[in-house]
Amino acid sequence: SQTIHQWPATLVQPVGSPLSLECTVEGTSNPNLYWYRQAAGRGLQLLFYSVGIGQISSEVPQNLSASRPQDRQFILSSKKLLLSDSGFYLCAWSPADRGVQFFGPGTRLTVL
Amino acid sequence: GDSVTQMEGPVTLSEEAFLTINCTYTATGYPSLFWYVQYPGEGLQLLLKATKADDKGSNKGFEATYRKETTSFHLEKGSVQVSDSAVYFCASAAGYSSASKIIFGSGTRLSIRP
Repeated sequence: SQTIHQWPATLVQPVGSPLSLECTVEGTSNPNLYWYRQAAGRGLQLLFYSVGIGQISSEVPQNLSASRPQDRQFILSSKKLLLSDSGFYLCAWSPADRGVQFFGPGTRLTVL
Repeated sequence: GDSVTQMEGPVTLSEEAFLTINCTYTATGYPSLFWYVQYPGEGLQLLLKATKADDKGSNKGFEATYRKETTSFHLEKGSVQVSDSAVYFCASAAGYSSASKIIFGSGTRLSIRP
């Protein structure tokens, strides 16, 4: 069966520090991968998605970036965090030919 | 563009009450429709789905029917439990595009009183 992992689970970082969040998927090949952010008490905002290694599409302009160095690895990064980057970050995957998405457990990021 | 609108929360009910959370969508094509549930501090879990008109998705006592004529996918449960307390998201996916992007509603927080 397929599983999706995210780490770390929680992170507290000072403003201006770098960020690296990792997401990995097991038990499937060539998945579509997604990064979402969920601000406190709000819905989901799609940040990036990827349909293959090295292929990244950005949905909103921001100081975050994403990379997919391997088929089942998706990384969310920032060179300098802002206070507004605080939130709950969710990674998701979907089979290449179906719309349903499966979510990881999330990373709660607090920028102070 | 495509969108999903769901009733605003919070919704507070007593245990064993009947639940309805309304959801409507707009789409140029024939999307697949989903309900996801998010328990406190966790990621989203797929609750149920329907891929074509008149399909009924069901899981854990929850049901939703894909109504093309009213562009709706309302979530219902006959008798809610305290353990159903969570945030529920309605979502649509515009077919089998290569990106399979999903449009999420804003979420409805449900609280069940014992």
